[in-house]
Amino acid sequence: DQQVKQNSPSLSVQEGRISILNCDYTNSMFDYFLWYKKYPAEGPTFLISISSIKDKNEDGRFTVFLNKSAKHLSLHIVPSQPGDSAVYFCAAKNQGGKLIFGQGTELSVKP
Amino acid sequence: GAVVSQHPSWVICKSGTSVKIECRSLDFQATTMFWYRQFPKQSLMLMATSNEGSKATYEQGVEKDKFLINHASLTLSTLTVTSAHPEDSSFYICSVPGRANYGYTFGSGTRLTVV
Repeated sequence: DQQVKQNSPSLSVQEGRISILNCDYTNSMFDYFLWYKKYPAEGPTFLISISSIKDKNEDGRFTVFLNKSAKHLSLHIVPSQPGDSAVYFCAAKNQGGKLIFGQGTELSVKP
Repeated sequence: GAVVSQHPSWVICKSGTSVKIECRSLDFQATTMFWYRQFPKQSLMLMATSNEGSKATYEQGVEKDKFLINHASLTLSTLTVTSAHPEDSSFYICSVPGRANYGYTFGSGTRLTVV
């Protein structure tokens, strides 16, 4: 039972344009949602999070949107830079404190 | 978030041997740590929750006798893969909840290859 889903395994974007990464979830009891950036053979690096009671959180070039009715969240990166190329994971925190991860989306930002 | 150190970063071992992976929280006393496993091109799968001073709790389908977890202090959790087999080859990562309830910090991961 995949509670957190990232349906796009890859995304290619031109430098300077917007990258939009999507994530869907099934459990309405998740209380926090997080985005992580990961390079091969390294641990994930925290990017940005959002509480389930909010619908938007912004931090520099990164903005996360949460649509609770649709059980959908998205990460917007603007402007995209080549250094943003990595695998992005969304994660949801359940009330037991565990993080449940999506499958990841590999972002490639081309110069 | 916390500063997390994980060792070793990679290890190659023979089938049937055991391997110990350490996860240290350097600046935060962690009563709880989490262990994940990632197969190539796949998601991070939660294996178990490490609890300081008590038994770990394992996710469904994870063999507790194979993946021994010890959380002897507030700064150290260890994962021991016992009698390793090639199918145990994977990337193992630990995680420490930070001061904020959502600031989870991950270790750098351990690439285990069993030959």
